[in-house]
Amino acid sequence: DVVMTQTPLSLSVTPGQPASISCKSSQSLLHSSGNNYLSWYLQKPGQSPQLLLYEVSNRFSGVSDRFSASGSGTDFTLKISRVEAEDVGVFYCMQSIQFPPTFGQGTKLEIK
Amino acid sequence: EVHLLQSGGGLVQPGGSLRLSCAASGFTISSYAVNWVRQAPGKGLEWVSFISNSGDKTQYADPVKGRFTVSRDNSENTVNLQMNTLTAEDTAIYYCAKGLWTSSIMTSSTWGQGTLVTVSP
Repeated sequence: DVVMTQTPLSLSVTPGQPASISCKSSQSLLHSSGNNYLSWYLQKPGQSPQLLLYEVSNRFSGVSDRFSASGSGTDFTLKISRVEAEDVGVFYCMQSIQFPPTFGQGTKLEIK
Repeated sequence: EVHLLQSGGGLVQPGGSLRLSCAASGFTISSYAVNWVRQAPGKGLEWVSFISNSGDKTQYADPVKGRFTVSRDNSENTVNLQMNTLTAEDTAIYYCAKGLWTSSIMTSSTWGQGTLVTVSP
């Protein structure tokens, strides 16, 4: 199975400041099609996960442009340009290049 | 609006069975793959099962293989997860999620609200 490793596991950010989360995979997520099959989800407290970005950097419908992501192969990064109170929750990266799809451990974001 | 409404969770004794359902509204579920993902109390997300849009392909995580069966009832616009021989390690919130595109296999966009399964004597 592909192991997904996120860092940090938690971060505390002042509103208006940027934040960054790293996600590394044990195998390349780069498909022969040229796409990297890496997506990011946010699970807000008491809610179901919600899709933020797919194929690394494509924002899902309705997702704020404060969220962006980059990377290729085995190293990926999610960036929040200006953290807001509504961003509180746990962020997960997930690989979907092969079964079973696997998630990172999660990164808990809290507001200072 | 696209929604997935889940039902069927609850308390069950070890060795027992439960059937979870995931009903779609606002779209035709037969056009999309559906994945089941679970979350043990206080833990992260764990993929459980996949069923293709046509229903002819299924996949299972090793811990549930041979005990769980995913199926779809397109006439009812639902996907079901039959869970047998349950153990305490299956205690979790179970989510169903639809594929992002009709061609998507694992990337999921819309998620159900989740249903709690508790396996305890």
